Amino acid sequence: TQLLEQSPQFLSIQEGENLTVYCNSSSVFSSLQWYRQEPGEGPVLLVTVVTGGEVKKLKRLTFQFGDARKDSSLHITAAQPGDTGLYLCAGIAGAGSYQLTFGKGTKLSVIP
Amino acid sequence: GAGVSQSPSNKVTEKGKDVELRCDPISGHTALYWYRQRLGQGLEFLIYFQGNSAPDKSGLPSDRFSAERTGESVSTLTIQRTQQEDSAVYLCALGELNTGELFFGEGSRLTVL
Repeated sequence: TQLLEQSPQFLSIQEGENLTVYCNSSSVFSSLQWYRQEPGEGPVLLVTVVTGGEVKKLKRLTFQFGDARKDSSLHITAAQPGDTGLYLCAGIAGAGSYQLTFGKGTKLSVIP
Repeated sequence: GAGVSQSPSNKVTEKGKDVELRCDPISGHTALYWYRQRLGQGLEFLIYFQGNSAPDKSGLPSDRFSAERTGESVSTLTIQRTQQEDSAVYLCALGELNTGELFFGEGSRLTVL
């Protein structure tokens, strides 16, 4: 069974601070996705990373896929209250596989 | 979520009753997933439909759970003889076959008293 461990589980920071959340596994994934979920809504896809070592930027969010494709990180610069939510990572084991393994998420609160 | 409509958004039921949750894809994706999200937990895979292929039911937690989908249309998830541990948000998602990316509905929150 492939597991994705996310850390920290909870994070509360002040507006304007920087933060990094992590998604780690002992298994290799062909691709990894990050989602954000706000209360009362379904998760919304932020990014997909495919290549080991890949870095993708989405405005103030920077996503990195580990060289060995076993881990990923999400860095947020100058956090805003609108960044508040549950951040989920999800991995696909093999190309063409339809099964995603989800982590339990990092719940981020950005205090104005 | 764009492309997926779920109903009801909230359902409160008594232990032992049956419930039916509905997922209505607005866009024509052939891949459809059901997930369960318990409070404070991640997403738990329940079932996967892909076109006319046999569904992958490996995530259904017990025989009280069943789901149906005809072609690329509406899917229903049925829970018989509900138990308190069935309380959760049930999420439906459409899948992009090439990338594996998912597009979720807003979920149906089930509370079993």
